[in-house]
Amino acid sequence: SQTIHQWPATLVQPVGSPLSLECTVEGTSNPNLYWYRQAAGRGLQLLFYSVGIGQISSEVPQNLSASRPQDRQFILSSKKLLLSDSGFYLCAWSAGAPHLYGYTFGSGTRLTVV
Amino acid sequence: GESVGLHLPTLSVQEGDNSIINCAYSNSASDYFIWYKQESGKGPQFIIDIRSNMDKRQGQRVTVLLNKTVKHLSLQIAATQPGDSAVYFCADPQGSARQLTFGSGTQLTVLP
Repeated sequence: SQTIHQWPATLVQPVGSPLSLECTVEGTSNPNLYWYRQAAGRGLQLLFYSVGIGQISSEVPQNLSASRPQDRQFILSSKKLLLSDSGFYLCAWSAGAPHLYGYTFGSGTRLTVV
Repeated sequence: GESVGLHLPTLSVQEGDNSIINCAYSNSASDYFIWYKQESGKGPQFIIDIRSNMDKRQGQRVTVLLNKTVKHLSLQIAATQPGDSAVYFCADPQGSARQLTFGSGTQLTVLP
């Protein structure tokens, strides 16, 4: 069966520090991968998605970047964190087009920038 | 613009009662809808989905109804339990082949 791993679960980082959040998927090949952010409140905002190695689409201009160095690995990064980067970050995968397969989410990373 | 949204941000129900959570969509091309449940501090979990060729789909204690005429779907939870307390999202590809768009969520609170 397929599983998705996301870490760390919580992170407290000072303003101006770098960020690296990692997400890996097991049990499938060539998944679509997504990074979402959930700010205070409940809405989910799509940040990046990837349909293959090295292919990244950015949905929202911001202080963050994403990379996909391996088929089942998706990394969210920042060179210098801002206070506004605080939030709950969720990785998700889909076996193909979301309108056919939907998403499976990871457990999330709670990032607090201080 | 097109959107997927929810009528109410919060809903409180008595334990044992039925819950109904609503969602409106505006994209006529929408053909697939998913309900997710998100417990505090966790990632959203798939509950049930429905395609536009169906009006109703049932799962274990949950039913999703789709009314394409008024572009409305609802999630019904039978005999609501304390473990049902969570935020519920509807999601829709909105014609995209690459991503889902989520509504803002409804916080369901089950009262003892």
